[in-house]
Amino acid sequence: DAGITQSPRYKITETGRQVTLMCHQTWSHSYMFWYRQDLGHGLRLIYYSAAADITDKGEVPDGYVVSRSKTENFPLTLESATRSQTSVYFCASRGLAGYFEQFFGPGTRLTVL
Amino acid sequence: EDQVTQSPEALRLQEGESSSLNCSYTVSGLRGLFWYRQDPGKGPEFLFTLYSAGEEKEKERLKATLTKKESFLHITAPKPEDSATYLCAVQANSGYALNFGKGTSLLVT
Repeated sequence: DAGITQSPRYKITETGRQVTLMCHQTWSHSYMFWYRQDLGHGLRLIYYSAAADITDKGEVPDGYVVSRSKTENFPLTLESATRSQTSVYFCASRGLAGYFEQFFGPGTRLTVL
Repeated sequence: EDQVTQSPEALRLQEGESSSLNCSYTVSGLRGLFWYRQDPGKGPEFLFTLYSAGEEKEKERLKATLTKKESFLHITAPKPEDSATYLCAVQANSGYALNFGKGTSLLVT
């Protein structure tokens, strides 16, 4: 299907475990983003990528790792999950130039016990 | 530091009762102001981009306007299917991220 997809949609894990959230887009967008959404905070940027092999930190990057070996994929890894990382995670993408709106995936609800 | 404040936090309207949502912002050079709709359990859905003061965009019952300090999302004769959380975000000229407000939760009954 065209668009942006995330997997899994729901994940329950335990403190200290490694978790990887997947994001895939079919638009060949250059830019990809990871946000987390928490009550009282709104959406906050974790990491973004301007192209394959180019990534940079956002507002709340601690405890997360990203990679982007292919344009269409942008996985987010929690190396050692903590309870404070319980959240809903959204991936987004944007084209290279002209229009700056970002298009969001359906989200992954992550619970860390 | 860029800031986005949305008001009210929650709004309840009768079907057909028009109203406006507010988004106040401070940003060091506005590249764009964005409105999104978010339904429960789903990702934000793009509605509008506004680039400069005085610009207006319309889509069905929604109309977004922009001044140098704030944006309004006007909802004309709303229907129950317009119930959702509406998010406002700004992007500065200097960055790539969207800086989001906390949203306005709209319920139309």
